[in-house]
Amino acid sequence: RKEVEQDPGPFNVPEGATVAFNCTYSNSASQSFFWYRQDCRKEPKLLMSVYSSGNEDGRFTAQLNRASQYISLLIRDSKLSDSATYLCAVVGNNRKLIWGLGTSLAVNP
Amino acid sequence: EAQVTQNPRYLITVTGKKLTVTCSQNMNHEYMSWYRQDPGLGLRQIYYSMNVEVTDKGDVPEGYKVSRKEKRNFPLILESPSPNQTSLYFCASSKQGFTGELFFGEGSRLTVL
Repeated sequence: RKEVEQDPGPFNVPEGATVAFNCTYSNSASQSFFWYRQDCRKEPKLLMSVYSSGNEDGRFTAQLNRASQYISLLIRDSKLSDSATYLCAVVGNNRKLIWGLGTSLAVNP
Repeated sequence: EAQVTQNPRYLITVTGKKLTVTCSQNMNHEYMSWYRQDPGLGLRQIYYSMNVEVTDKGDVPEGYKVSRKEKRNFPLILESPSPNQTSLYFCASSKQGFTGELFFGEGSRLTVL
């Protein structure tokens, strides 16, 4: 089993839709969790850190479920500009950042 | 403007010809790291540095070298490039040690023939 797993998608949704991605992690001792966004052939950019209590930034909501060992990203009112690959990253043992392979989102007009 | 700058952005070279990819950050970050990204394999860490003169191997260090003589610079050296080092390379930095919140450079696409 991979340490961090994501559904690769692609998720195809219409503008205005709500879409959610999950990312599962295998190490129950993981401490920190992040969502990054990566546009095609560009650098990853930090979207959100994921806190135990969950956090929200505009249309984006991130949540952590420690019992089931996954984090989620919810995007409301999807925009065309949300089309990208969403990477999750987990700080595991030895403060090492472990990356998922990403979930591809395409928002269609 | 806060940024991580990599050069060159694109490079085609031949097997065995030494090359250096430079990385510089202007945010006074302590932590810097190099990644390579390949289809189906995702981001894999090559080397990282917690501070000046402190470097450590990541997951795929073979064939690479790094140095951290100054806080702002973290060059990646390929002493004898091979075709399996054809990849997209990213430099990243983080303030105050390692937090997981990384700032990435724009990437360097390297092709080794």
